[in-house]
Amino acid sequence: GESVGLHLPTLSVQEGDNSIINCAYSNSASDYFIWYKQESGKGPQFIIDIRSNMDKRQGQRVTVLLNKTVKHLSLQIAATQPGDSAVYFCAENTHFNAGGTSYGKLTFGQGTILTVHP
Amino acid sequence: DTGVSQNPRHKITKRGQNVTFRCDPISEHNRLYWYRQTLGQGPEFLTYFQNEAQLEKSRLLSDRFSAERPKGSFSTLEIQRTEQGDSAMYLCASSNRDSNSNQPQHFGDGTRLSIL
Repeated sequence: GESVGLHLPTLSVQEGDNSIINCAYSNSASDYFIWYKQESGKGPQFIIDIRSNMDKRQGQRVTVLLNKTVKHLSLQIAATQPGDSAVYFCAENTHFNAGGTSYGKLTFGQGTILTVHP
Repeated sequence: DTGVSQNPRHKITKRGQNVTFRCDPISEHNRLYWYRQTLGQGPEFLTYFQNEAQLEKSRLLSDRFSAERPKGSFSTLEIQRTEQGDSAMYLCASSNRDSNSNQPQHFGDGTRLSIL
């Protein structure tokens, strides 16, 4: 369900488990998606991205899955480590035109708190 | 470190004062964005610069807010006559441009503003 204010979805896992974080996006015109990790007191850190012409992309220990039919994005983290504990945001990129150029603007989801227990 | 740099990291000021934040983007990035983030929420877009041109401003950016990027490199965000509701983390991000503008935005660690 939806969360408001401080009541972010949470995911608690044991070290070594795989984690799956889900995200629903809103704009069917969005063509580029990014997952960010944000630790306390820091800015969002880029993890992995995927373009809308793909449905899966893999990085180091992370995989992003995109289902455009239901406007759903997921981030899978393999062998989760305590250092992975953070808030994870998905962001969808929508294109706009201004000044004779095209640019993208990110809209962020609500975030999921991942806690990894040793 | 050639990441996005923001200064100051923290700013505490009294209501009604003016504040200015600075952002130094990644050097080869021509696109610069400002966002605001409140506790428990994702960042919200405020404004966008391509080189020195400010191409979009969110309706979140009231008349008390102004942003500049005079030489297409660093940017400043000024808030005049600050209000309690301005308390937030102000984030800057930059990105490079490709043919279809799908390049990730890289964020600084933000300036946390607290209004007393």
